[in-house]
Amino acid sequence: RKEVEQDPGPFNVPEGATVAFNCTYSNSASQSFFWYRQDCRKEPKLLMSVYSSGNEDGRFTAQLNRASQYISLLIRDSKLSDSATYLCVVNIASSASKIIFGSGTRLSIRP
Amino acid sequence: NAGVMQNPRHLVRRRGQEARLRCSPMKGHSHVYWYRQLPEEGLKFMVYLQKENIIDESGMPKERFSAEFPKEGPSILRIQQVVRGDSAAYFCASSPQTNTGELFFGEGSRLTVL
Repeated sequence: RKEVEQDPGPFNVPEGATVAFNCTYSNSASQSFFWYRQDCRKEPKLLMSVYSSGNEDGRFTAQLNRASQYISLLIRDSKLSDSATYLCVVNIASSASKIIFGSGTRLSIRP
Repeated sequence: NAGVMQNPRHLVRRRGQEARLRCSPMKGHSHVYWYRQLPEEGLKFMVYLQKENIIDESGMPKERFSAEFPKEGPSILRIQQVVRGDSAAYFCASSPQTNTGELFFGEGSRLTVL
């Protein structure tokens, strides 16, 4: 079983739609969680951290469910510029800070 | 404050040659991570280093691959006797402290093995 699993997509949604991604992780010792964004042939960039109480940054909302070991990302009022691959990231602190990336979920916003 | 600098951005090697990829972390960062990304795939953890120490190399192949982060100078990822399967983008990331998960990435080095 992969340490971090994501639906690869692609998700193809119209501009203005709301879209949600989930991510599951296998190591219960995981301590911190993040969503990164990667544009085609570019480096990943931090989108937002994920806190236990859930957090929001503009149109983006992230949530963590430790009991079920999954993380979610919700994008409201999607824009064309949101088209990218979204990477779920887990910091397994018990193994000397090994930071594991999911394979990513590809999102394409159409006009 | 310059970001994470990687070079070369593109490297072409023939099978059997050596590839050396360099990474200078952001100023003030002492933690370096190397990831490999194959086409259409996610980032695979390779190695985590601090100055003069390899902390976790569990993601790095046992043969042909090595990494270092000397006291002075950039971190180096070295691939000896490259094979076609080594063709990938190699991303370096740095972090100001451990156990945060907030990584700052370089633009990557794209290795092509002919």
